[in-house]
Amino acid sequence: GQQVMQIPQYQHVQEGEDFTTYCNSSTTLSNIQWYKQRPGGHPVFLIQLVKSGEVKKQKRLTFQFGEAKKNSSLHITATQTTDVGTYFCAGDYGGATNKLIFGTGTLLAVQP
Amino acid sequence: KAGVTQTPRYLIKTRGQQVTLSCSPISGHRSVSWYQQTPGQGLQFLFEYFSETQRNKGNFPGRFSGRQFSNSRSEMNVSTLELGDSALYLCASSERGFSGELFFGEGSRLTVL
Repeated sequence: GQQVMQIPQYQHVQEGEDFTTYCNSSTTLSNIQWYKQRPGGHPVFLIQLVKSGEVKKQKRLTFQFGEAKKNSSLHITATQTTDVGTYFCAGDYGGATNKLIFGTGTLLAVQP
Repeated sequence: KAGVTQTPRYLIKTRGQQVTLSCSPISGHRSVSWYQQTPGQGLQFLFEYFSETQRNKGNFPGRFSGRQFSNSRSEMNVSTLELGDSALYLCASSERGFSGELFFGEGSRLTVL
């Protein structure tokens, strides 16, 4: 069945360093979404990527969708303590599948 | 607009009991989906409802069931609780389903003793 792998599971950085998390799907996605969950909180939508090769930026966050629509990445430039949390990708396989499959998430810890 | 509301926020049950969780979506949203979140398994899809119809379900045993009412409010039920059912149960609403942004509630944290 469909599966979304996400790496790394955990990343510890010094404030100001960059951070990247990667998602890979075994099959082609209709679109991919990214969510952030702060400790003790609930997932909050960040962005959705739909087109092959799409790149979107939100301030210090850069999101990419692979050409084959099977992988995606989230890159944070110059991390801040407010970036702490777990970042999830979620793959939409569309069509009859009609499921949103979440990756296992990457927990980001930022040391001031 | 009010956000997604889940009740109860916390509950403790014992093995063999059953539990019902409630979710009120954002006004105007017709899609409600449910997820189980555990430290080891991440966010696991349970089922999704749209206009009172279950459109899809995840790989959970039949002990997990749900329904959606005409006002889009949804409930999920877990019967014959097991220790492994301890988790945070998250409800998410959206206008169209998975093709758009999901708005999550705060979740219902279930502990099974």
